[in-house]
Amino acid sequence: QVQLVQSGPEMKKPGASVKVSCKASGYNFIGYHMHWVRQAPGQGLEWMGIINPSGGRADYAQKFQGRLTVTRDTSTSTVYLDLSNLRPEDTAVYFCARDNSDGGTYWWFDPWGQGTLVTVSS
Amino acid sequence: SSELTQDPAVSVALGQTVSITCQGDSIRDHYASWYQQKSGQAPVLVIYGKNNRPSGIPDRFSGSSSGNTASLTITGAQAEDEADYYCNTRDRGGFRWVFGGGTKVTVL
Repeated sequence: QVQLVQSGPEMKKPGASVKVSCKASGYNFIGYHMHWVRQAPGQGLEWMGIINPSGGRADYAQKFQGRLTVTRDTSTSTVYLDLSNLRPEDTAVYFCARDNSDGGTYWWFDPWGQGTLVTVSS
Repeated sequence: SSELTQDPAVSVALGQTVSITCQGDSIRDHYASWYQQKSGQAPVLVIYGKNNRPSGIPDRFSGSSSGNTASLTITGAQAEDEADYYCNTRDRGGFRWVFGGGTKVTVL
């Protein structure tokens, strides 16, 4: 079955970087874009960025430009989120989610990874 | 970037019908998708496109769209439908996506 499995929780100090992985299985990895979404404690979902695993091109929410890098390794069917210069307000659960589309009218995120808690604290 | 606006919370009596709305300019161009999230869990897709349900989602969930507003309707709400619900769509004119702020549904 289609499955996304993320890496474990991380604890970082302000100013550090974190790298979260999302390993895909059960489908053609390069055939589907992948999103990253985060959720701060008690808050809503926030879209961060997307990558095309085929060519590696990534696009980011303006808020994260310059701090966020999304990459992929096609040999292991894994997508990575790299967030630098961490601040306490980056404390959140980070989710990967596969992109699906009908070809241009609508999109949906399914499935989702289980989430990775990143805690930023001094 | 565009924004999507949802009511923060709604309540519904067991077995009754509730609709959640999602407003934003992006919805004029693209259908929204809807996600259910229970406490401590990853979101789950419940509606996508014009009114499509993934396998395993009960048919009491339905979606609709008109102008700048998308709606998710639960007909005959059950206790297990108590959760946060988020809408999402692609932003206008860009390769970016946006979520609504979420609606907490309480089943009384």
